[in-house]
Amino acid sequence: NAGVTQTPKFQVLKTGQSMTLQCAQDMNHNSMYWYRQDPGMGLRLIYYSASEGTTDKGEVPNGYNVSRLNKREFSLRLESAAPSQTSVYFCASNRGAIGYTFGSGTRLTVV
Amino acid sequence: DQQVKQNSPSLSVQEGRISILNCDYTNSMFDYFLWYKKYPAEGPTFLISISSIKDKNEDGRFTVFLNKSAKHLSLHIVPSQPGDSAVYFCAASAEYGNNRLAFGKGNQVVVIP
Repeated sequence: NAGVTQTPKFQVLKTGQSMTLQCAQDMNHNSMYWYRQDPGMGLRLIYYSASEGTTDKGEVPNGYNVSRLNKREFSLRLESAAPSQTSVYFCASNRGAIGYTFGSGTRLTVV
Repeated sequence: DQQVKQNSPSLSVQEGRISILNCDYTNSMFDYFLWYKKYPAEGPTFLISISSIKDKNEDGRFTVFLNKSAKHLSLHIVPSQPGDSAVYFCAASAEYGNNRLAFGKGNQVVVIP
């Protein structure tokens, strides 16, 4: 079982470049999430999608956009990358009372 | 304003001894609590959970205790093993089945062989 798959695993961007982080889940989960993890800051929610066709801001949405392409896929886009967006990004999904299943992460460096 | 707080960011413990991780929360509406474990270069994985109708849940070497009046929960690992060396996140949600979890900042545990 693949669970939650994130691509790419690593990425280096120059300031001002754009990119899209991809996430797909094969568990038929309704809800999907994007988090970033920074040292001493824990997991902070960027955006989430409670169901296909809906998206909502989390606690740190600035500089990001998301698309819930279908039930399986939830992408995160950085339109103009900044050094402050250097982080490890995790996608997660869940359904109802079941806890989150996380992907293995994307390590992004913006120089 | 952080609703789930984990103090003492790091813990070192000898193999075979007990590891105790603490977590405090501020939102009295939280009624479902989870612990996640994270190894370097991997995503967090679910470890153990407890609902507010219980004060203890045990799964092998892992036990979670909940003190609702104090808005406090703890994770006990007995005995600690080197493979337990990881970051542990406490998480909470309001309304059983609610989709969104609030996470603490995590505790780094190092088990010394």
